[in-house]
Amino acid sequence: EDQVTQSPEALRLQEGESSSLNCSYTVSGLRGLFWYRQDPGKGPEFLFTLYSAGEEKEKERLKATLTKKESFLHITAPKPEDSATYLCAVQVIQTSGSRLTFGEGTQLTVNP
Amino acid sequence: KAGVTQTPRYLIKTRGQQVTLSCSPISGHRSVSWYQQTPGQGLQFLFEYFSETQRNKGNFPGRFSGRQFSNSRSEMNVSTLELGDSALYLCASSLVGGYRDTDTQYFGPGTRLTVL
Repeated sequence: EDQVTQSPEALRLQEGESSSLNCSYTVSGLRGLFWYRQDPGKGPEFLFTLYSAGEEKEKERLKATLTKKESFLHITAPKPEDSATYLCAVQVIQTSGSRLTFGEGTQLTVNP
Repeated sequence: KAGVTQTPRYLIKTRGQQVTLSCSPISGHRSVSWYQQTPGQGLQFLFEYFSETQRNKGNFPGRFSGRQFSNSRSEMNVSTLELGDSALYLCASSLVGGYRDTDTQYFGPGTRLTVL
């Protein structure tokens, strides 16, 4: 069974204090790993897709990396507006279709 | 470009009733997936439709069903509602889905269903 585990469950940072969120996965065959951001009461907002070990993608203060067993979301000099729940999801190789398996998320709070 | 839209945004029902939720995908997107989000279980996959056909199904009882129309709009139906069906129901669309670079799913704002 495909499994995705995110850590920590919750993280509190001071503005400007860099850190990393972890997403470890166990899947039969990874096609892609996705990072989303979700604000309270809203749908997940797409951030990154990673397909191959060693791949990295950046967007503003966020950088996502991928290895064969896990992915990291690095947050550099965060601001209060980065506060949200960050979700990791995997898509496995199937004969057809899209299906995402999500982790439980990391709730990030950035204090001013 | 308009995003994924879902209606209604909020719904209150009582046990035993049925409910229909609607999703309009991003223009040009042909794959529509549905997810249930609860505090205890997180985001769980319900089913996916492509070209009016169900292509994938998650581990939910038969009370949960869906369909897709020729314009790619989708509906999901839950019959005989139970208290445990209270959740945020999210719809996501992708260009084609199932192939690299077309897989990215974009989510709508969700429908908050409360079952009393």
